[in-house]
Amino acid sequence: DAKTTQPPSMDCAEGRAANLPCNHSTISGNEYVYWYRQIHSQGPQYIIHGLKNNETNEMASLIITEDRKSSTLILPHATLRDTAVYYCIGPDSNYQLIWGAGTKLIIKP
Amino acid sequence: DGGITQSPKYLFRKEGQNVTLSCEQNLNHDAMYWYRQDPGQGLRLIYYSQIVNDFQKGDIAEGYSVSREKKESFPLTVTSAQKNPTAFYLCASSIVGGQVGTDTQYFGPGTRLTVL
Repeated sequence: DAKTTQPPSMDCAEGRAANLPCNHSTISGNEYVYWYRQIHSQGPQYIIHGLKNNETNEMASLIITEDRKSSTLILPHATLRDTAVYYCIGPDSNYQLIWGAGTKLIIKP
Repeated sequence: DGGITQSPKYLFRKEGQNVTLSCEQNLNHDAMYWYRQDPGQGLRLIYYSQIVNDFQKGDIAEGYSVSREKKESFPLTVTSAQKNPTAFYLCASSIVGGQVGTDTQYFGPGTRLTVL
């Protein structure tokens, strides 16, 4: 199982890059790391996922360390609408996602 | 518009009553999921279905039941046996369940159930 550890909360100034860390030291070689976010009282929204290589899409970038024990989600230019709980998730042995409490990211004007 | 719909958004029931939460998707996804979320916590898997007429228990299936008679629909029944049913319930779907790296899940807006 890919258990993950994230800080409970973080602040970031509007317009700056938000860097959200995640530790996943138990992840196996073929297990992906997924990132979702959840705005208050809504369903989670998929952001990005990766295995070994760094990934980028229109929402964010994902930097995975070479040993795959940690990763960082980067929101390049945070806006107030990026205020949400961000989840770093790995799969269990049945390929179902294990959800922790996530990081509450607050973007400040 | 393609997506996942859950109804109703808010639901109130008296203790001891069964209640069924609706989940419909028009994404042509094979797999569907039900999660429960309590305040300040992450999601916990109740049931999932990878194909029509088949489903598996998740981590907290006790007190819940599901059916998957159609690809588009995956209703969840919260029975009177569920000791603490008040929670936020989320339905999700994915193209194919069980394949790591291709199992991006898309979520509905959720149903907030309050048992009085």
